Amino acid sequence: GAGVSQSPSNKVTEKGKDVELRCDPISGHTALYWYRQSLGQGLEFLIYFQGNSAPDKSGLPSDRFSAERTGGSVSTLTIQRTQQEDSAVYLCASSQGGPRHTDTQYFGPGTRLTVL
Amino acid sequence: DAKTTQPNSMESNEEEPVHLPCNHSTISGTDYIHWYRQLPSQGPEYVIHGLTSNVNNRMASLAIAEDRKSSTLILHRATLRDAAVYYCILRLPYGNTPLVFGKGTRLSVIA
Repeated sequence: GAGVSQSPSNKVTEKGKDVELRCDPISGHTALYWYRQSLGQGLEFLIYFQGNSAPDKSGLPSDRFSAERTGGSVSTLTIQRTQQEDSAVYLCASSQGGPRHTDTQYFGPGTRLTVL
Repeated sequence: DAKTTQPNSMESNEEEPVHLPCNHSTISGTDYIHWYRQLPSQGPEYVIHGLTSNVNNRMASLAIAEDRKSSTLILHRATLRDAAVYYCILRLPYGNTPLVFGKGTRLSVIA
């Protein structure tokens, strides 16, 4: 079946521009996560949506980062006034939202963002 | 989530078994042990998880020490496609929160 998809796969932008990254989760998954992975670094949590609850934004590195999830499905991560340190692979994952010990997360292929 | 410790890298010959260790000495009684792996240029994928008993699935086996302070992911016959970074992650059974990834172990498989 269809997995998590992300678009675009690659994005090159100039410093100071805004970018939007899109995530289409697996149909029926109530939980959606955004992570990022900088060159040589581990995966870093950014934001988490669960059903209709308020999102957990505790991982967002600055107020330039925001995300929304419309209709409990598609999510968009927006980075305003991009900086070079924002260059990374942005990964989206979704899960059924069940108990943590069985709540397998399914990851998309990621969007590679390069800020010049 | 409790901290895990893994070797930075390991190497294996193709068709040989691979044992990837993970130490989690501060594990609590209710923490589950999850393994994910990340193939080159891909997002992470789930491998296996367990609580106390050893677990087997089509991808791998998970051996959990009796005191639960360590575990070992076992790939029975490594293939070139198993070259990836393997992450050992502890998770509480309740609530829904993000995965906390450490540095993981980079597995190289030699033909």
